[in-house]
Amino acid sequence: DAGITQSPRHKVTETGTPVTLRCHQTENHRYMYWYRQDPGHGLRLIHYSYGVKDTDKGEVSDGYSVSRSKTEDFLLTLESATSSQTSVYFCAISESIAYEQYFGPGTRLTVT
Amino acid sequence: QKEVEQNSGPLSVPEGAIASLNCTYSDRGSQSFFWYRQYSGKSPELIMSIYSNGDKEDGRFTAQLNKASQYVSLLIRDSQPSDSATYLCAVIETINDYKLSFGAGTTVTVRA
Repeated sequence: DAGITQSPRHKVTETGTPVTLRCHQTENHRYMYWYRQDPGHGLRLIHYSYGVKDTDKGEVSDGYSVSRSKTEDFLLTLESATSSQTSVYFCAISESIAYEQYFGPGTRLTVT
Repeated sequence: QKEVEQNSGPLSVPEGAIASLNCTYSDRGSQSFFWYRQYSGKSPELIMSIYSNGDKEDGRFTAQLNKASQYVSLLIRDSQPSDSATYLCAVIETINDYKLSFGAGTTVTVRA
């Protein structure tokens, strides 16, 4: 998985609780992304980062926030988890915004 | 209207045959095109990237790009049971701030 790890790999949480997912890379790539993948919707971009402390919204950003304090780490936070946020979350990295992206192993999140 | 469309599956081919996957996109300014393979329960894995018109071959895989017709295809020659997976077409759309847009995927099953 190209030097990308995600933690936790599985999580079950209750509605209304905050959840933070972590993505860590060892490739020193500038760009990092968070996607969610759901049946019938495919892969959708939540947020992305183009450098330390530089982030922007994607297609489905409502209910999510991100932070990037170091090149290697990109955090995704669900401030108050809802059942609609039950999904598989993938982190991806790329050297440039126009180049290929490499995906981490994913985190399966279930909100009950 | 979905920006990246893939031929609907599932696609079933006998072992040793050629599997042909097609993808069309709507953004004429797109410059970067990718094929990912995703096994069930796993993350997307980059198998081909193509940036200019024509064919690009890598082992048993050939990607074909035709920007005038706005389509990109993937051929899998000598298909093996290990090729059974969902194949995702992805396009970096310049009109979408260089975001990576994914097709819904085509599931390929190779029959032994």
